[in-house]
Amino acid sequence: GESVGLHLPTLSVQEGDNSIINCAYSNSASDYFIWYKQESGKGPQFIIDIRSNMDKRQGQRVTVLLNKTVKHLSLQIAATQPGDSAVYFCAENSGSARQLTFGSGTQLTVLP
Amino acid sequence: DAGVTQSPTHLIKTRGQQVTLRCSPKSGHDTVSWYQQALGQGPQFIFQYYEEEERQRGNFPDRFSGHQFPNYSSELNVNALLLGDSALYLCASSLSAGPSYEQYFGPGTRLTVT
Repeated sequence: GESVGLHLPTLSVQEGDNSIINCAYSNSASDYFIWYKQESGKGPQFIIDIRSNMDKRQGQRVTVLLNKTVKHLSLQIAATQPGDSAVYFCAENSGSARQLTFGSGTQLTVLP
Repeated sequence: DAGVTQSPTHLIKTRGQQVTLRCSPKSGHDTVSWYQQALGQGPQFIFQYYEEEERQRGNFPDRFSGHQFPNYSSELNVNALLLGDSALYLCASSLSAGPSYEQYFGPGTRLTVT
C-alpha cells in the first residue's frame, strides 16, 4: 500500500555541522509534505511543510526539498545545535484524505 | 492560548480491560484526530472526529472507538485490551475550515498493557 518511509533510522552529526534527513514516499497523489520533530516524552512538533507544486521551501535554519520525479523529500538543518537532537518524521497528506501518513522516523543525535 | 491537552499522561492496564483516553483540542479547533504510536515507529492514524461524528477511520479494529463532545473535546476508548495495544496515543486537533494537514499534536498518553 501507500507509505512514507525514511532511508536511515539514525543520524549523528557534530554540533555546528549541517544535517540532512531523507524521506521517500510512494503516494504520487500527495499534496502536502510535512516534517515533524519529536522530542522524548512529547508529541510531534511541526517544523516545516511544502506543497507538491514547490520544490524548495526555507524556514529558520531549516530547508525542505521535494523531488517529485523520484518521490523524495529531505530536511536540511543548518548549524545543528544540541537542541535539535530528536526524532524527525516526514508525513504526507493528500487533499482528499484527512489523516497524515507518517514515516518511521530518523533519530538525530548532535555530538558536542 | 492553550494547546492540545491529553489525560492521563500514563496509564497501566491489564489484558482484557477497557481504557478511555481524553483530549482537549487547541482553542478554536473543531476537529480531533487520534493516532497510535508504537515504540520506535511513526504515528498511525486511528480516526478523526468532526461535528461529533467519526469522519474518517484508519486500519484499526472496532475495539477502538471514540466520541466527540459539543465542546469539541474527544475520547478514545479501547476495549478488550491486548498487549499489542501498548503505545503512545496522540491526539491532534485542527480546524475544519483549514488545510487538513495542519494538525497540532498533544503530548500523548502512554498506555502500557500487562
